[in-house]
Amino acid sequence: IQLTQSPSSLSASVGDRVTITCRASQGISSYLAWYQQKPGKAPKLLIYAASTLQSGVPSRFSGSGSGTDFTLTISSLQPEDFATYYCQQLNSYPHTFGQGTKLEIK
Amino acid sequence: EVQLVESGGGLVQPGGSLRLSCAASGFTFSSYSMNWVRQAPGKGLEWVSYISSSSSTIYYADSVKGRFTISRDNAKNSLYLQMNSLRDEDTAVYYCARQVVIMFDYWGQGTLVTVSS
Repeated sequence: IQLTQSPSSLSASVGDRVTITCRASQGISSYLAWYQQKPGKAPKLLIYAASTLQSGVPSRFSGSGSGTDFTLTISSLQPEDFATYYCQQLNSYPHTFGQGTKLEIK
Repeated sequence: EVQLVESGGGLVQPGGSLRLSCAASGFTFSSYSMNWVRQAPGKGLEWVSYISSSSSTIYYADSVKGRFTISRDNAKNSLYLQMNSLRDEDTAVYYCARQVVIMFDYWGQGTLVTVSS
C-alpha cells in the first residue's frame, strides 16, 4: 500500500490553520497514524486510528478520514509545530509511511 | 517511564555486517510487538521489520529481506537487528519502536549506521 502526502512542503504563519492530506493506494479502513518529527529527533505519535489524539498531544491537532483519504489539521499553528509530519498505514504489512510534509515558517 | 535505547551503529564497509540492539525499560517488554524503522540522511521514514511479542510472527521490508534478521530476548528486555551484506543504501538512522496494534507509540533515539568504503 502506497501513501501519498500533500503537499510535500508548506509555509505558514503562527496562528494559521493548516491541513495535510494523506491518500492511500487502497482502502485501509481507519488504520492510519500521524507522526511529528523535528530535526535530529525521533518521530512522535500524534494521532492513531485516523482520528484519536494520543495522550498529551495538544487539542489543536486533529485527524479525520477513512478508507483512502485522510487529513491532519492543526487549528492554530504554534512555533513548536514547525516540523515534518508523516502518515503511516497499519492495515497491512509493510507498514508504509508517507513521504512526509515539511511545515516551515513563512 | 518507557525507554528504548538503541546501540550498535557505526561505520561498516559494503558487504559487511552489523548487529543493532534496542534495550527496553519501563514496561513489560514481553507483552509488546516491536519494529525497526530507518531514515536515510535527509529522507523519510522507512519501515524495516516487525516481530511479535513471542517472536512467532516476523515481517521484513522487501529491501532487506534475506539480509536482515530481527530477533528479541524477552528475558533481557532486548530487541536486535542483525544486518548482513550491507549496501550503501542501508546507510540510515535506525529506530526501534514499540507497537500497540495500530500505532507506534514509543520510539528510541536512533543509532546511525554508515555503510561506506
